[in-house]
Amino acid sequence: KAGVTQTPRYLIKTRGQQVTLSCSPISGHRSVSWYQQTPGQGLQFLFEYFSETQRNKGNFPGRFSGRQFSNSRSEMNVSTLELGDSALYLCASSLGGMSSYEQYFGPGTRLTVT
Amino acid sequence: TQLLEQSPQFLSIQEGENLTVYCNSSSVFSSLQWYRQEPGEGPVLLVTVVTGGEVKKLKRLTFQFGDARKDSSLHITAAQPGDTGLYLCAGPTYGGATNKLIFGTGTLLAVQP
Repeated sequence: KAGVTQTPRYLIKTRGQQVTLSCSPISGHRSVSWYQQTPGQGLQFLFEYFSETQRNKGNFPGRFSGRQFSNSRSEMNVSTLELGDSALYLCASSLGGMSSYEQYFGPGTRLTVT
Repeated sequence: TQLLEQSPQFLSIQEGENLTVYCNSSSVFSSLQWYRQEPGEGPVLLVTVVTGGEVKKLKRLTFQFGDARKDSSLHITAAQPGDTGLYLCAGPTYGGATNKLIFGTGTLLAVQP
């Protein structure tokens, strides 16, 4: 069974631009969660999507948004990029729910904002 | 706010040594998970502990969940260079409209050959 894939793996953007990251979960997994990982803040939860609906949301500004498609693939969008948005963005998929089931992470997208 | 504090933050040891990583909280967790993350990759789930006092073994790794379900430890016997990575504990939190998995502060382990 193929693992979680994320594209692109690396991205360089300029302040003020927007970016869209993509995540394809493990086949059969309906939950996709997104995380931001930085050296200073560690791994922080952004949001979770389940069956195309946002089910849980972390404490991030509205510039961070996401969606999930009928095939469970998910995208995350960050608008008006700031330098502080530079981070590794990870998505994880699970069968049912992020807090109840084992999560499988993708390799991440390394975003650099200049 | 539930927090998971890990100690030590950094650990550099020689191959063959033993080590223990701790994950502590003032809050009770229904379960705790341990992940290992290697450079350039996402975290990989190692184990989930769900019962207070539970001990699980994965080859040279031994995981323990505290009796009060507020803490956990990871013990590695005879560490090998392949054990190098960032070790993260994580636990589910349930609060109002948001359920989420919170991660510990992480322990960066380097095993020198």
